[in-house]
Amino acid sequence: GENVEQHPSTLSVQEGDSAVIKCTYSDSASNYFPWYKQELGKGPQLIIDIRSNVGEKKDQRIAVTLNKTAKHFSLHITETQPEDSAVYFCAASGSGGGADGLTFGKGTHLIIQP
Amino acid sequence: EPEVTQTPSHQVTQMGQEVILRCVPISNHLYFYWYRQILGQKVEFLVSFYNNEISEKSEIFDDQFSVERPDGSNFTLKIRSTKLEDSAMYFCASSGPPRSKTQYFGPGTRLLVL
Repeated sequence: GENVEQHPSTLSVQEGDSAVIKCTYSDSASNYFPWYKQELGKGPQLIIDIRSNVGEKKDQRIAVTLNKTAKHFSLHITETQPEDSAVYFCAASGSGGGADGLTFGKGTHLIIQP
Repeated sequence: EPEVTQTPSHQVTQMGQEVILRCVPISNHLYFYWYRQILGQKVEFLVSFYNNEISEKSEIFDDQFSVERPDGSNFTLKIRSTKLEDSAMYFCASSGPPRSKTQYFGPGTRLLVL
């Protein structure tokens, strides 16, 4: 089955700097890669996603890049703000029908230092 | 904005008891999922459900677990004969048409088995 590795486990950046979180996946059939933000005591909230027919997607301060050949994808957050502090999870799912389960990475605890 | 809701928010039970976790997916969604997250660990896929039957399940989803859509709005996860290791946060998620793989998560039910 699919295996998703995520690095780093903890990332501390100064407010205003950029943060980059990286993930690799094992199943070349995976074609959908979402990123979720989870705040303490809450459910994962989708922040951005990308499909395998696209190399990059951007939404304001957040961007995701995908390298299908290398089977890795990254989340980029620019101009970080205190409210960006949370745990971020990458995930992948395959080429099945609409009910594919997501395989998650272990998460990155992002800390924004004021 | 439509959202997935879950009840109860917290559940404490004795080992060996049965619990039912409830979810109300987003109203026009067709695909429903259960995930669990053991404290401090990654989110793990349990099962997906479409057209009144299980679409995909993980190896975690053994005979102890069952899912049901008893009416047009609720989606339930039943855990028979709970074990200590079932203690976790359980998240329900839903997604819309097949081309939209975006899964929206509920706030979760924290289950504690004593």
